[in-house]
Amino acid sequence: DAGVIQSPRHEVTEMGQEVTLRCKPISGHNSLFWYRQTMMRGLELLIYFNNNVPIDDSGMPEDRFSAKMPNASFSTLKIQPSEPRDSAVYFCASSLKPQETQYFGPGTRLLVL
Amino acid sequence: SQQGEEDPQALSIQEGENATMNCSYKTSINNLQWYRQNSGRGLVHLILIRSNEREKHSGRLRVTLDTSKKSSSLLITASRAADTASYFCATVTSNDYKLSFGAGTTVTVRA
Repeated sequence: DAGVIQSPRHEVTEMGQEVTLRCKPISGHNSLFWYRQTMMRGLELLIYFNNNVPIDDSGMPEDRFSAKMPNASFSTLKIQPSEPRDSAVYFCASSLKPQETQYFGPGTRLLVL
Repeated sequence: SQQGEEDPQALSIQEGENATMNCSYKTSINNLQWYRQNSGRGLVHLILIRSNEREKHSGRLRVTLDTSKKSSSLLITASRAADTASYFCATVTSNDYKLSFGAGTTVTVRA
């Protein structure tokens, strides 16, 4: 298996623009997680899906952030409008079961100017 | 909030030496996991140890868990330059699904 795939790997955008991050989890994994990593706050869980259903989005910073999982092999995280403080590395991770080992993608490094 | 806290924050050792880092947590757990992150990369899972286990090994890695002290340790034996990375512990509580990550220990192995 190719592992968790994320795209794009790097994104530079201007404040106010819409940003869409994409994730393909490992086939057969039922749980999908979106994280954000910054120097100041470390790794933060943004949202968790189980069987394509959002279970917990309490970590989503504000209404500018939204996430979808239309099917078992694809998820998106959208920021609209983007702000400089959204600059971070965004990781997607998947696991067979919620409490078990998570497999992380390579991350998307986002810079909002 | 971060449940796991790693100690030390940073560690510098000579190639061939052992590296030990610790993780403390606050509430009862289902399992505790250790991850490695190389600079600019995603996290890689190293070991998962369940609350009823006390020690696990994987290659040059040894993890211990003391639930009475709410602490875990990760030992890397015979370190190599390629072990240079940040190491994170993450806990899963009994009634939850979330991984709560600590701030990590940055390990530098000098050649």
